[in-house]
Amino acid sequence: QKEVEQNSGPLSVPEGAIASLNCTYSDRVSQSFFWYRQYSGKSPELIMSIYSNGDKEDGRFTAQLNKASQYVSLLIRDSQPSDSATYLCAVYDRGSTLGRLYFGRGTQLTVWP
Amino acid sequence: DGGITQSPKYLFRKEGQNVTLSCEQNLNHDAMYWYRQDPGQGLRLIYYSQIVNDFQKGDIAEGYSVSREKKESFPLTVTSAQKNPTAFYLCASSPDRAVRNEQFFGPGTRLTVL
Repeated sequence: QKEVEQNSGPLSVPEGAIASLNCTYSDRVSQSFFWYRQYSGKSPELIMSIYSNGDKEDGRFTAQLNKASQYVSLLIRDSQPSDSATYLCAVYDRGSTLGRLYFGRGTQLTVWP
Repeated sequence: DGGITQSPKYLFRKEGQNVTLSCEQNLNHDAMYWYRQDPGQGLRLIYYSQIVNDFQKGDIAEGYSVSREKKESFPLTVTSAQKNPTAFYLCASSPDRAVRNEQFFGPGTRLTVL
């Protein structure tokens, strides 16, 4: 069983600050990495995908991947109260013929005004 | 509009009853997935299907069944053998199982056993 670990939080930051969310995974052959945002009572929404080492920026979001350390993170700059949600890290395993995602349990983020 | 639809949004079941949750997508995606989410928990994979007429068990398939007779449809039946079915059920689809496996979710069905 593949392991995807996230700090459950809650993580609380003031409006305008940088929120840093971290994720580690157990399988070195994992190829693709995703961050989903899930508001309370709603379904997950894909917000970032990253496939190679380094940083990927999309608006206020930056995903960082370090395959050697088996670590992926999500930075949210200029955090807003509307960013308050649970953030799920997911890792794609193509170790078998039929690939699937493995999810962490999520980190709950609260941005206070 | 392209997307994934799930119905019903809320479902109540008596103990001993089978119920079927609907999932339809018009995105022309090959792969479809069913997850279960319990409060404070991550997503657990129930079943997935990469092509029509083929599907695989996930991590918690016991007490569930699926079919994939059409590319756009992947219904999930929660049988009476599932001892603790109260949960939030999420269907997802992905355009490409072989490369990056970005998955997109429907709005979910919240099942409650009375």
